Amino acid sequence: KNEVEQSPQNLTAQEGEFITINCSYSVGISALHWLQQHPGGGIVSLFMLSSGKKKHGRLIATINIQEKHSSLHITASHPRDSAVYICAVRSGRSQGNLIFGKGTKLSVKP
Amino acid sequence: GAGVSQSPRYKVAKRGQDVALRCDPISGHVSLFWYQQALGQGPEFLTYFQNEAQLDKSGLPSDRFFAERPEGSVSTLKIQRTQQEDSAVYLCASSFGRGEQFFGPGTRLTVL
Repeated sequence: KNEVEQSPQNLTAQEGEFITINCSYSVGISALHWLQQHPGGGIVSLFMLSSGKKKHGRLIATINIQEKHSSLHITASHPRDSAVYICAVRSGRSQGNLIFGKGTKLSVKP
Repeated sequence: GAGVSQSPRYKVAKRGQDVALRCDPISGHVSLFWYQQALGQGPEFLTYFQNEAQLDKSGLPSDRFFAERPEGSVSTLKIQRTQQEDSAVYLCASSFGRGEQFFGPGTRLTVL
């Protein structure tokens, strides 16, 4: 079993829809990251959080440490949000390296 | 520069060739990470540097993989005698301490 599991693997939405991507992890962590990866490989960090909730524009990330679960929400989705969204955790035992989920491929149709 | 840069962006190698991949981290970033991303998968950790010291190389898949960061800034990942299973995107990330990691664009390696 992977230490970081994401669902769904693939997601197609219509423009304007509310989107939720889920992440569960099985290790003790010091931080959780949500990352965005566009075709061509570039990865952009969206959020780093260790508790509670963070919001940036139309993106919201929440984490429940007790349940070892995090969600990434996108409100009023737009075709430019189409990308792969990756959940990654920094385990409490690591030097700082991240353990990644396999990613959720989001496609937002106009 | 403004961000993490990597070169080359694309590399095609014949099986058995040696390759060297370069990473220029953000100036002043102490921590540098190398990750390997196979097609359709999430990245996987290869190795970690704090300044010039390689503190963790537990993710390197074989002794054909070698990384260095001699002056604590630029890092090179070398793969000797490349195999087809080495084909992947190699990502470099840097951070100041244990904070947010900033990723480079990656080097896509194809071994024929």
